[in-house]
Amino acid sequence: EAQVTQNPRYLITVTGKKLTVTCSQNMNHEYMSWYRQDPGLGLRQIYYSMNVEVTDKGDVPEGYKVSRKEKRNFPLILESPSPNQTSLYFCASTGQLGTEAFFGQGTRLTVV
Amino acid sequence: EDQVTQSPEALRLQEGESSSLNCSYTVSGLRGLFWYRQDPGKGPEFLFTLYSAGEEKEKERLKATLTKKESFLHITAPKPEDSATYLCAVQEVGGASKIIFGSGTRLSIRP
Repeated sequence: EAQVTQNPRYLITVTGKKLTVTCSQNMNHEYMSWYRQDPGLGLRQIYYSMNVEVTDKGDVPEGYKVSRKEKRNFPLILESPSPNQTSLYFCASTGQLGTEAFFGQGTRLTVV
Repeated sequence: EDQVTQSPEALRLQEGESSSLNCSYTVSGLRGLFWYRQDPGKGPEFLFTLYSAGEEKEKERLKATLTKKESFLHITAPKPEDSATYLCAVQEVGGASKIIFGSGTRLSIRP
């Protein structure tokens, strides 16, 4: 089954404690993205990747890092989380530009 | 600046009462316009892609249309299970993998 898998689904952490949210896709897609979703603001792109070792900033990259060492994996790293990073995060992958994105189940992050 | 605006923010309909959701966009060149459905606590689920003005696509009770400045998602005789948030997104020509989402329309269908 084609899918994008994120882990963990829920995470509560403290300010400043580094964390990683993993994302893996099994469709051999070249393009992967991370989004955050906040009430009233919709989905905003954090980072995207066009291929292995090729990443670029989206609209809200501050406080986040990503890496793309393998085609299937695209982890999101928060080096020093802050409460304003409390949000619902989604990973997505796309096979070709102009085609639909497949989304993961989401990770609800709370930073206290 | 590229923008995607959806209206209304929320819409409550009676079962069987048809209506339309609007997505207006501003991009220099459109690579594709997407409609997604999102249920609470879940990831967006793909519905349609539209590429050029005049294009239409249908799926069950949903029909999406596209002009040069906006897209409509028409819902005919909706059922309670159509209740969800509907998201519109655009990808610009030359914009690599950047996709801009609207804030969505929360649709509620009363039995």
